[in-house]
Amino acid sequence: NAGVTQTPKFRVLKTGQSMTLLCAQDMNHEYMYWYRQDPGMGLRLIHYSVGEGTTAKGEVPDGYNVSRLKKQNFLLGLESAAPSQTSVYFCASSLTGTQPQHFGDGTRLSIL
Amino acid sequence: EDQVTQSPEALRLQEGESSSLNCSYTVSGLRGLFWYRQDPGKGPEFLFTLYSAGEEKEKERLKATLTKKESFLHITAPKPEDSATYLCAVQATDSWGKLQFGAGTQVVVTP
Repeated sequence: NAGVTQTPKFRVLKTGQSMTLLCAQDMNHEYMYWYRQDPGMGLRLIHYSVGEGTTAKGEVPDGYNVSRLKKQNFLLGLESAAPSQTSVYFCASSLTGTQPQHFGDGTRLSIL
Repeated sequence: EDQVTQSPEALRLQEGESSSLNCSYTVSGLRGLFWYRQDPGKGPEFLFTLYSAGEEKEKERLKATLTKKESFLHITAPKPEDSATYLCAVQATDSWGKLQFGAGTQVVVTP
């Protein structure tokens, strides 16, 4: 029972490079979310999706883009990475907007 | 603006020493309050959802309660395996799907 799977688990980038983080869920959930977690700040919502083909901005969307072409996948892109984007990124999914969110184990991203 | 504040930031307990964690919140209207547990290097794991003042939920040594301004997570006779960071999050009635998280309380239980 995989749940929410994030790829890759670790990555080191240089400033200005681009990359895509992949999130896949096998629970047939409608809602998917991308968060970042920084020390002392708690989880902050970057972007979310309420269904296939939809995306919306969260609390800290600048510098990130997302796509939800398939219901089970939610991609987070960094077009031009900056050191301020060094963080742990978590993907989550939920069946509806009021059901508990289920999280992956994160991607640890360092930008030099 | 919705705000969630958790206290204390860190808590060190002896095995068997019961204690409580606090989550105070400011939200225009509460749809639900969620408690999660997070182990090092892992994603948050869902524990409870509370919807209205006076509601209580229990799971093993954990009990969550809710008032109109705060929630408590009581840990009764903790064991070392209860060591984790406990996160609180609120969902406002006008924030469909979106959660506002607190910074968490790191709990260490020593034998």
